[in-house]
Amino acid sequence: DSGVTQTPKHLITATGQRVTLRCSPRSGDLSVYWYQQSLDQGLQFLIQYYNGEERAKGNILERFSAQQFPDLHSELNLSSLELGDSALYFCASSSGQGFPSPLHFGNGTRLTVT
Amino acid sequence: GENVEQHPSTLSVQEGDSAVIKCTYSDSASNYFPWYKQELGKGPQLIIDIRSNVGEKKDQRIAVTLNKTAKHFSLHITETQPEDSAVYFCAASEDGNNRLAFGKGNQVVVIP
Repeated sequence: DSGVTQTPKHLITATGQRVTLRCSPRSGDLSVYWYQQSLDQGLQFLIQYYNGEERAKGNILERFSAQQFPDLHSELNLSSLELGDSALYFCASSSGQGFPSPLHFGNGTRLTVT
Repeated sequence: GENVEQHPSTLSVQEGDSAVIKCTYSDSASNYFPWYKQELGKGPQLIIDIRSNVGEKKDQRIAVTLNKTAKHFSLHITETQPEDSAVYFCAASEDGNNRLAFGKGNQVVVIP
């Protein structure tokens, strides 16, 4: 068990809808990362937060947004969903102190858009 | 940005034999290379990592080697067991920070 908790495990929704994915990092970790995993693209970095502040952006669509709250949990919001957004979404956390600071992944949220 | 490639995509080995997975990276500034194991229905689990100032690192049956000149690194699993069957991902840090660029993964199948 990595200590990173993601909810829900599965999400099925229709095109055009909006969903929120939630992540609780490991105790003491300040950094949260979101990754998207699809069969053809592998693991793609979306966005990183450190202690509530956005630290880096990757291949994140404008329809997607995220935030990290004062208690350090994070939410990834996906809106105007399209069929192609169906994927596994992983959250990872790290201490954020020094380099390297190994990433520890949760078990993901499987999103299915119908 | 960093581009990481893995070969082969699928690897089948007899139980007890060794498995080797190779990755190449494109950015010479990358200096941290972790390996992750992903089992069905679970998230990637860190199994070993190496920094660019080290050529080899070993942890029981698992070892990683790094060739900075050629920009490639490899995962070696010895005395494979059925529980080693999984998808293995290599990754490289981008710009000396903790963001990782991942390869597309290798399916390793250990045949009892």
